[in-house]
Amino acid sequence: EVRLVESGGGLVQPGGSLRLSCAASGFTFSRYWMHWVRQVPGKGLVWVSRISPDGSSTFYADSVRGRFTVSRDSAENTLFLQMNSLQAEDTALYFCTRDKGCSTSTCQGNWFDPWGQGTQVTVSS
Amino acid sequence: DIQMTQSPTSLSASVGDRVTITCQASQDINNYLNWYQQKPGKAPKLLIYDASTLETGVPGRFSGSGSGADFTFTISSLQPEDIATYFCQQFQSLPFTFGPGTKVDI
Repeated sequence: EVRLVESGGGLVQPGGSLRLSCAASGFTFSRYWMHWVRQVPGKGLVWVSRISPDGSSTFYADSVRGRFTVSRDSAENTLFLQMNSLQAEDTALYFCTRDKGCSTSTCQGNWFDPWGQGTQVTVSS
Repeated sequence: DIQMTQSPTSLSASVGDRVTITCQASQDINNYLNWYQQKPGKAPKLLIYDASTLETGVPGRFSGSGSGADFTFTISSLQPEDIATYFCQQFQSLPFTFGPGTKVDI
């Protein structure tokens, strides 16, 4: 079964840091682009970041560029999101997701499947 | 950034009804559009990619069409388990962006 499980969320004060993890199983993690998407409960989905299969290429939404860093460990089949200088506006449920359309063997597009269950990040004093 | 809009914001229909949701991009995105279903308290689930290709395992009552900037998502016969919010997403260019969602109720 293809599965993603996020962890690392929690309550943090403004200006603080958190590191999210996403454990992947059931597929060859090292072949796929991976993404982070966040969602304020009851609101829409916002794409945050992506990383290439070998970790050499990353891209960020303007709202997090310079504060967030995406990385991966293919030996551990784990995706990370290091979040620094957190702001109240970063409060959301953070999902990791696989780019099913884009792998090392073919890249036909960018569609996300599966998604993890999400990990809640709350930035508040 | 490419802006995505959806209409309606929400709708209520009966079991067996045909339900149609529209998604509009702020510019031409070819057919680089996906549709997701999100049930309350759950992660999104991919239903359709490339505007009209049904993801494996997704029931045939779901369909998508369109190209350019205007797209349509249809449930041909609404079922109780289809109660959810539906989002469109463009992958024409980064940052990938989602529509605000359409909440479907019975």
